[in-house]
Amino acid sequence: NAGVTQTPKFQVLKTGQSMTLQCAQDMNHEYMSWYRQDPGMGLRLIHYSVGAGITDQGEVPNGYNVSRSTTEDFPLRLLSAAPSQTSVYFCASTPRARYEQYFGPGTRLTVT
Amino acid sequence: AQTVTQSQPEMSVQEAETVTLSCTYDTSESDYYLFWYKQPPSRQMILVIRQEAYKQQNATENRFSVNFQKAAKSFSLKISDSQLGDAAMYFCAYRSDFNAGGTSYGKLTFGQGTILTVHP
Repeated sequence: NAGVTQTPKFQVLKTGQSMTLQCAQDMNHEYMSWYRQDPGMGLRLIHYSVGAGITDQGEVPNGYNVSRSTTEDFPLRLLSAAPSQTSVYFCASTPRARYEQYFGPGTRLTVT
Repeated sequence: AQTVTQSQPEMSVQEAETVTLSCTYDTSESDYYLFWYKQPPSRQMILVIRQEAYKQQNATENRFSVNFQKAAKSFSLKISDSQLGDAAMYFCAYRSDFNAGGTSYGKLTFGQGTILTVHP
C-alpha cells in the first residue's frame, strides 16, 4: 500500500496561472478531503468527497475546484492562482467516520 | 460551527521533563471525537491520541495522555519524559460526524497549532 500520495511536493506559480494538485489513495477509502495549512491558522478544510461523483465545500472553498471521478483520485484545481493561495496543501482519506484519517505528505505551493 | 483554540503558539520543555499543551473547543454536540496530531519538520501528519466524548476515562498512549474536561470543553495533551523526537508542531482537532447515503463520515476542525521545542 502506498497510502495517500500527493504530487507535486513543491510548486511555484505565477499569479493567474492554473494548475492541478493530484491526490490518490489505494486503500479504497470513500471519504477524501483537501486542507490548506497556513501559519497561525492550522489546517482548514477546502473541499471533501464521500464517494465518486459526490463532492461538497468545506470552510474555505473559494478559488478551488474539485471532482471525484474514481474512488482513488481527488484532484484539486486552482483555476487562476492568487498570492493568497500560497500555502501547504494536504489531502486526507478515511473509510468512514470511526476510522483514522490518513494524510498525504503535502504540497507546498507558492504563488508569486 | 465548531471552533478549536490552541492558545499557546509555542512551548518548550527540557528533555525528560513533562509538558502540557492546551486546547479548548466550542460545540453544541454531545457526542464527538477529539484528536491530537503531531507534525514534525517532515510535514507528515501523525495521529498521537484520540478521545471519544462519551468516554469519561482519559485516553493514554505510552508517554502521551490527555486531560479531557467535557463540561469545560477542554482537551489538553500531557507529554511525559519528553524526548528530542517529540519536537514538532502539535494540532488539536475536533471531528464532527455527518451522515451521507446512510454512512457516517467525519470532518476535522483543527486548532492553530503549538510548536513544541525540546531542549537537551
